[in-house]
Amino acid sequence: EDKVVQSPLSLVVHEGDTVTLNCSYEVTNFRSLLWYKQEKKAPTFLFMLTSSGIEKKSGRLSSILDKKELFSILNITATQTGDSAVYLCAVERGSNFGNEKLTFGTGTRLTIIP
Amino acid sequence: EAQVTQNPRYLITVTGKKLTVTCSQNMNHEYMSWYRQDPGLGLRQIYYSMNVEVTDKGDVPEGYKVSRKEKRNFPLILESPSPNQTSLYFCASIPIGGRELFFGEGSRLTVL
Repeated sequence: EDKVVQSPLSLVVHEGDTVTLNCSYEVTNFRSLLWYKQEKKAPTFLFMLTSSGIEKKSGRLSSILDKKELFSILNITATQTGDSAVYLCAVERGSNFGNEKLTFGTGTRLTIIP
Repeated sequence: EAQVTQNPRYLITVTGKKLTVTCSQNMNHEYMSWYRQDPGLGLRQIYYSMNVEVTDKGDVPEGYKVSRKEKRNFPLILESPSPNQTSLYFCASIPIGGRELFFGEGSRLTVL
């Protein structure tokens, strides 16, 4: 059974701190790992990672994948109150029939205190 | 504006009363999917569709039906809702060759 585990479940930090969110997975026929940010409504896409060791970066957010150890981290530097959200990790697997499926982790709830 | 639209956004109903949650996307995406989100369980896939008339079960399909008669629409049908189907539901779509899920705004359903 596919499994995606995120840690910590919840994190509270002060504005300006740097945080690291973790995602480990066990998935057959891995294709990619995706990070989403969910504020009050629908999740919004952050990154997609397919290759080990290549960092994806967008402003203060960055992410990297380790396919050997089966995990990814999402870093946020100089956090702001607008970073408060639930961060979701999802892993995509493919099949011989091309029916890609996503398995989500339960998310990390990040709260930034002003 | 490119979007995925779900209706209704909020619904309170009673056990056994059939309901349909509609989902429509205007991006000509082939792949569409339904998820439910529950505290402590994250997003779980209910059904997905690779294209018109092609649907398949996700991880939690029991108690749900779907249809894909047109590319843009992918309704979720609860024939006989039960309280354990109380949840937040998301519809999402992806273009063929893409990876990024485009989510609808969510539909919060309460079954009494």
